Amino acid sequence: KNEVEQSPQNLTAQEGEFITINCSYSVGISALHWLQQHPGGGIVSLFMLSSGKKKHGRLIATINIQEKHSSLHITASHPRDSAVYICAVKGNQFYFGTGTSLTVIP
Amino acid sequence: SQTIHQWPATLVQPVGSPLSLECTVEGTSNPNLYWYRQAAGRGLQLLFYSVGIGQISSEVPQNLSASRPQDRQFILSSKKLLLSDSGFYLCAWSGISTDTQYFGPGTRLTVL
Repeated sequence: KNEVEQSPQNLTAQEGEFITINCSYSVGISALHWLQQHPGGGIVSLFMLSSGKKKHGRLIATINIQEKHSSLHITASHPRDSAVYICAVKGNQFYFGTGTSLTVIP
Repeated sequence: SQTIHQWPATLVQPVGSPLSLECTVEGTSNPNLYWYRQAAGRGLQLLFYSVGIGQISSEVPQNLSASRPQDRQFILSSKKLLLSDSGFYLCAWSGISTDTQYFGPGTRLTVL
């Protein structure tokens, strides 16, 4: 069993839709990260969370420490949001989910 | 501002050949440095991390080695590549007191 599980694995949405990607983890953590991997492979760090909620533009990330769960929301999705979104947690080491592949159709 | 460089961007190597991938960071001192591999259809796997010159920790037993000859230089090597070494290799850095990692552009390695 992976320490970090993401759902869904693949997601296709129409432009403008509200999108939610979920992440559950099974280890004790000091922080959770949401990463965005573009089709070319480059990775960008979107958020680092240890509690509560963070917002950056159309992206919102939440974490529930008690339930060991985090969600990444994208409001008013756009084709440029198409990417793989990766959840990662920092316990005694870094653990990574396998990613959610998002395609936003115009 | 800080930047991270990796090269080459793509590499095709025969089985049994050596490997050297280089990562350099600019604009910061004494960063923590990381090498990751992302195999096709799989998540990121931490291979090595370094908290200082000459200090390398290996996360998984493997055919690869890492070195940090200078503060902002991190090298991933192999003496003899295996088919299973194919993948996308990412270098990352973080500050001493933060968990946020910043990733390089990656090297796509194909071993034939």
